[in-house]
Amino acid sequence: GAVVSQHPSRVICKSGTSVKIECRSLDFQATTMFWYRQFPKQSLMLMATSNEGSKATYEQGVEKDKFLINHASLTLSTLTVTSAHPEDSSFYICSARDVEQFTDTQYFGPGTRLTVL
Amino acid sequence: SQKIEQNSEALNIQEGKTATLTCNYTNYSPAYLQWYRQDPGRGPVFLLLIRENEKEKRKERLKVTFDTTLKQSLFHITASQPADSATYLCALVPMGGSQGNLIFGKGTKLSVKP
Repeated sequence: GAVVSQHPSRVICKSGTSVKIECRSLDFQATTMFWYRQFPKQSLMLMATSNEGSKATYEQGVEKDKFLINHASLTLSTLTVTSAHPEDSSFYICSARDVEQFTDTQYFGPGTRLTVL
Repeated sequence: SQKIEQNSEALNIQEGKTATLTCNYTNYSPAYLQWYRQDPGRGPVFLLLIRENEKEKRKERLKVTFDTTLKQSLFHITASQPADSATYLCALVPMGGSQGNLIFGKGTKLSVKP
């Protein structure tokens, strides 16, 4: 089955620093990847849609200058949290859509737990 | 306003029984509805997808129904096992939704007791 990896799985950083999270589709190509954020006991909230070779589409209320997304290849998207603050602490999950399928099934990565001190 | 609701935050059942989870939606016309399993500290894992013109879909011990009149999907796990304990999320793709944007419910945490 389709496998999506994320790196790192956990990161702790100081307030004001930037953190980069990688999302890779390991056995399929993904023109579209999605970035979600999940707070405890809450549903996944879509932050942005990452499109290979073009600019990401951000959801309302998500600051594009704070959450930089780069989708440089069909198998890699990165999310950089710039000047991180404690309120950015959350569980960040990426997903990828398999271009070979004709449904909107998404395959999720294992998530990255970000803690900003 | 648009809502997708999983009515039970938690569901506790005995091993061997059938677990039934509910997902209701308001002011959406979904093209598909999907169910995912999420374990603590992990990303969701896709389980089943049901289209708006399908009434029922099965996969091993799992069964999903989709009633567009009631605007509801039911997710059943038969012969439940402690290993089925997890949070189950329903998600929909609104008809006409671009690039497969998924809208998720908050999930129902299922606990299966031995």
